[in-house]
Amino acid sequence: DSGVTQTPKHLITATGQRVTLRCSPRSGDLSVYWYQQSLDQGLQFLIQYYNGEERAKGNILERFSAQQFPDLHSELNLSSLELGDSALYFCASSLDGYEKLFFGSGTQLSVL
Amino acid sequence: DQQVKQNSPSLSVQEGRISILNCDYTNSMFDYFLWYKKYPAEGPTFLISISSIKDKNEDGRFTVFLNKSAKHLSLHIVPSQPGDSAVYFCAANAGGTSYGKLTFGQGTILTVHP
Repeated sequence: DSGVTQTPKHLITATGQRVTLRCSPRSGDLSVYWYQQSLDQGLQFLIQYYNGEERAKGNILERFSAQQFPDLHSELNLSSLELGDSALYFCASSLDGYEKLFFGSGTQLSVL
Repeated sequence: DQQVKQNSPSLSVQEGRISILNCDYTNSMFDYFLWYKKYPAEGPTFLISISSIKDKNEDGRFTVFLNKSAKHLSLHIVPSQPGDSAVYFCAANAGGTSYGKLTFGQGTILTVHP
């Protein structure tokens, strides 16, 4: 158990809809990261937050947004969903952004 | 643009033998490299890392070798055990403020047969 909690584990929705994925980092970790793993791709970095502020951005679509709340949990919002958004979404956390990452078990999103 | 490549989708090894997983990268700004292991229905877990100032790092049965001139790294597992069967991801980082912004390879499925 990495200590990183992601909910829900599975999500099935339709095209055009909006969903929210939630992540609770390990106790004490200030930095949260979101990664996407599609069938034909490795893990792709989406975005990083550190203590509530955005620190780094990857190839995150404009339809996607994230935030980190004062209690350090994070949410990834995906809107106007398309079939191609179906993927496994991982959250990871680290103490201060300069240490190894601890990954949650992921949220499997299926867009039908 | 695949900056980190794991060209072998799968590897099958007999228990007790050596497993060698390979990884190539193209971005010369990468200065920190990691290997993660992933079991089904779990997130990736950190295995071992190496800084670009080193060419070898060892941790028990796991050794990572880095050849900067060839932009190549490899993970050696000796001896291999059935519990090592998992997907192995190579990842790289360009350091500075981008720690955690890892670039991953596509993974290699390792199967260790008893």
